Amino acid sequence: SQTIHQWPATLVQPVGSPLSLECTVEGTSNPNLYWYRQAAGRGLQLLFYSVGIGQISSEVPQNLSASRPQDRQFILSSKKLLLSDSGFYLCAGPQGGINTGELFFGEGSRLTVL
Amino acid sequence: TQLLEQSPQFLSIQEGENLTVYCNSSSVFSSLQWYRQEPGEGPVLLVTVVTGGEVKKLKRLTFQFGDARKDSSLHITAAQPGDTGLYLCAGPIKLSFGAGTTVTVRA
Repeated sequence: SQTIHQWPATLVQPVGSPLSLECTVEGTSNPNLYWYRQAAGRGLQLLFYSVGIGQISSEVPQNLSASRPQDRQFILSSKKLLLSDSGFYLCAGPQGGINTGELFFGEGSRLTVL
Repeated sequence: TQLLEQSPQFLSIQEGENLTVYCNSSSVFSSLQWYRQEPGEGPVLLVTVVTGGEVKKLKRLTFQFGDARKDSSLHITAAQPGDTGLYLCAGPIKLSFGAGTTVTVRA
C-alpha cells in the first residue's frame, strides 16, 4: 500500500538557520510529488511540484527550494529561514499511486521559526 | 490559477444537526475534490466529482457538483463529533485548494 513519510514531524528553528524537510514515498513509482504549506487552520498553498527526478517547478518565489534526488524522495530546503516560513508543511503524492490529480498526503512537518 | 472560495469559514453545530458547506468559483472545473483534515494530520481525500449535476453519497455525507461545474456543496446529515475537521475543496489545475471550512460538532 502507498505511504508517505515526512521527517521531522516537528521542528523549531531560529531565524536565519537552514532547513531541510524530507519526504519519502513508498508503494508507487514515478509519482508526481508536491510540497504544500498550510497556515493555522487554513487552506493549502502549493510551493513546489515535481514530475520526476531533478524536475522541480516552483509556484511561489521565496527563500525556499526543493530537490528530487531520487524517484521517491522529495526534499524542501532553505538556506536562511524567515519568521514567515513558520507553518505546517505537507508532502503529497498521487492517490492510489496513479497521477490523476487526487492526492495522498503525508503526516506533515510543523515548523516554528523563532 | 483557479480560485476556489469556501463558505462559511467556520461552522459550529450540535450533534444530530445537519450542515452544508460550499465551494464556489468563477471558473469551470473538469473535476473537483473534497478532503477532510484533522488537526496535526494531512488531508484525506473524501470524494471526486466529475460530471455536472453529479451527486455522490458517502454514508451521511452528500456531495453535489453544480450543473455548470463551477461550484460544489457538501451536506452532512445528523452530524457527529467525529465529523469535526477542516473540509477543503480542490481543483485539478495546479491542484489549487480553497481556504477550507472548519466544522465543529458539539456532543
